[in-house]
Amino acid sequence: DARVTQTPRHKVTEMGQEVTMRCQPILGHNTVFWYRQTMMQGLELLAYFRNRAPLDDSGMPKDRFSAEMPDATLATLKIQPSEPRDSAVYFCASGLAMENRPRLDYGYTFGSGTRLTVV
Amino acid sequence: EDQVTQSPEALRLQEGESSSLNCSYTVSGLRGLFWYRQDPGKGPEFLFTLYSAGEEKEKERLKATLTKKESFLHITAPKPEDSATYLCAVVADRGSTLGRLYFGRGTQLTVWP
Repeated sequence: DARVTQTPRHKVTEMGQEVTMRCQPILGHNTVFWYRQTMMQGLELLAYFRNRAPLDDSGMPKDRFSAEMPDATLATLKIQPSEPRDSAVYFCASGLAMENRPRLDYGYTFGSGTRLTVV
Repeated sequence: EDQVTQSPEALRLQEGESSSLNCSYTVSGLRGLFWYRQDPGKGPEFLFTLYSAGEEKEKERLKATLTKKESFLHITAPKPEDSATYLCAVVADRGSTLGRLYFGRGTQLTVWP
């Protein structure tokens, strides 16, 4: 059963500390999304990669957030410095694009999320 | 601006009491509409993709339909295990190579015995 793996599942950190969240997309998927979910805003798109290249990171606060894909099996989302307002659940999702067009028949597969609490 | 609106925000049903959830959307160039289910503490789980008005898809007690402006998720004779938050999402950017997925706020469904 193919799945998207996110680590850590939970993270509690102090304000000002660096936080790194990791995502292992489904093997063979070439599209990766980062979302943030809060009660107030719901699911917000932060960043979006295809074939490891960033396509859209307009939803991400640039001054403190950064997203990368060091290789096809790892996506990272970093927050430096973290603030209490960053407390949320961060989800990674992966999908497949062929001939540079997204394949939507099976949707995008989400991980279980990283619950971040900044105190 | 592209928008996805779901209603109601919360719905309580007695077991066996059928109902529908609504998702209305205003996007330029709909490429596809997704329905997801999300259980507490878990990530969204894919249910359906709909592409064009008139299309319908079914899975067990769930049936999703699509018109030019909205989608409905019909739940027939629900059971307590159907309790979850149901999320609607759209992929716009028809004609581009992008596939950004924008979500509504969801409908929290509770089915009691």
